[in-house]
Amino acid sequence: EAQVTQNPRYLITVTGKKLTVTCSQNMNHEYMSWYRQDPGLGLRQIYYSMNVEVTDKGDVPEGYKVSRKEKRNFPLILESPSPNQTSLYFCASSLGRGGYEQYFGPGTRLTVT
Amino acid sequence: GENVEQHPSTLSVQEGDSAVIKCTYSDSASNYFPWYKQELGKGPQLIIDIRSNVGEKKDQRIAVTLNKTAKHFSLHITETQPEDSAVYFCAANGQNFVFGPGTRLSVLP
Repeated sequence: EAQVTQNPRYLITVTGKKLTVTCSQNMNHEYMSWYRQDPGLGLRQIYYSMNVEVTDKGDVPEGYKVSRKEKRNFPLILESPSPNQTSLYFCASSLGRGGYEQYFGPGTRLTVT
Repeated sequence: GENVEQHPSTLSVQEGDSAVIKCTYSDSASNYFPWYKQELGKGPQLIIDIRSNVGEKKDQRIAVTLNKTAKHFSLHITETQPEDSAVYFCAANGQNFVFGPGTRLSVLP
């Protein structure tokens, strides 16, 4: 089954404790991205990757890091989480950057206290 | 950069009625306009899309219209059913994907 998986689905952590949210897709997609969803703001892009070892900032990259060492995986790293990063996070993948359907993972709800 | 506005933020309709959600975008270079449906506890899922060289597209009860001159596009759902209740997002795709803030649609039985 074609899918995007994310782990963990729920995470409660404390300010400053480094964490990683994993994302994996099995569709051989070149383009992957991370979004955060906040009430009234929709989905805002954090980072995206057009291929292995090619990543770039989206609209809200501050406080986040990503890496793309393999085509299927695109982890999101919060090296020093803060309460304003409490949000619902989605990973997505597509065939390319423009004009293609994006397939979303199930989401990761992160709470930083 | 691109800015996408979406209205209304909430919409309640009676089962069987039509629902219309409208979006505007700012970047004339955007050329792909998808609509996503997000059910509770799930990720968004594509329901219909339209490209800049097309004015209207229909798929059963769902249709999307695009006015490139005015930078408007709209989602039309006819004969609404309770399972249409969800949050709907429009998006504009030029350099990147930019989503609207979402519309919570409630279909009342």
